[in-house]
Amino acid sequence: TQLLEQSPQFLSIQEGENLTVYCNSSSVFSSLQWYRQEPGEGPVLLVTVVTGGEVKKLKRLTFQFGDARKDSSLHITAAQPGDTGLYLCAGDRGTSYGKLTFGQGTILTVHP
Amino acid sequence: DTEVTQTPKHLVMGMTNKKSLKCEQHMGHRAMYWYKQKAKKPPELMFVYSYEKLSINESVPSRFSPECPNSSLLNLHLHALQPEDSALYLCASRERGTDTQYFGPGTRLTVL
Repeated sequence: TQLLEQSPQFLSIQEGENLTVYCNSSSVFSSLQWYRQEPGEGPVLLVTVVTGGEVKKLKRLTFQFGDARKDSSLHITAAQPGDTGLYLCAGDRGTSYGKLTFGQGTILTVHP
Repeated sequence: DTEVTQTPKHLVMGMTNKKSLKCEQHMGHRAMYWYKQKAKKPPELMFVYSYEKLSINESVPSRFSPECPNSSLLNLHLHALQPEDSALYLCASRERGTDTQYFGPGTRLTVL
């Protein structure tokens, strides 16, 4: 059972456009991480959100954690080709061993 | 420093070979993880070590054998693998407090 629905799965846009990626669940998460991954490399942490309603900004990236801590979004302003990659959301339900629930991933391609 | 290192970067092995993957972190994290990842898919949890003890085995075949010699090191011993085991193998460690997992760069494994 997929507990974290991530959408869209594929996104192909032109440089300068804005985009939003969503992760939704019926489960409550104690924390949620967003990662960016390039082919053949490990996921690189972008942000961790832990408080309901929290908004964090990382340059052109804005992350939001839903009030009920069941959903999250990633918004990129003025996308650049360097933003191309696989974006993953991963929620921690607060279990003892930190087992993460991953979204299916969003493959973003930004064309020059 | 939030670095997890993995060696080797690439590994090609035959189905009768025995090899090992290595992971190291010096962040004092007491939970460490092995994941398997296929192209353009999210990572799949294989094993969790907590305080050097195996805490979760996600029904992984016995041809994969994990080992945690100390709090900084994690190994994955491979024996008699199948071609379908070819994948990117990721190691991660978890930070207490934020519960954030930091991933290594991965080992690209090809089984011939």
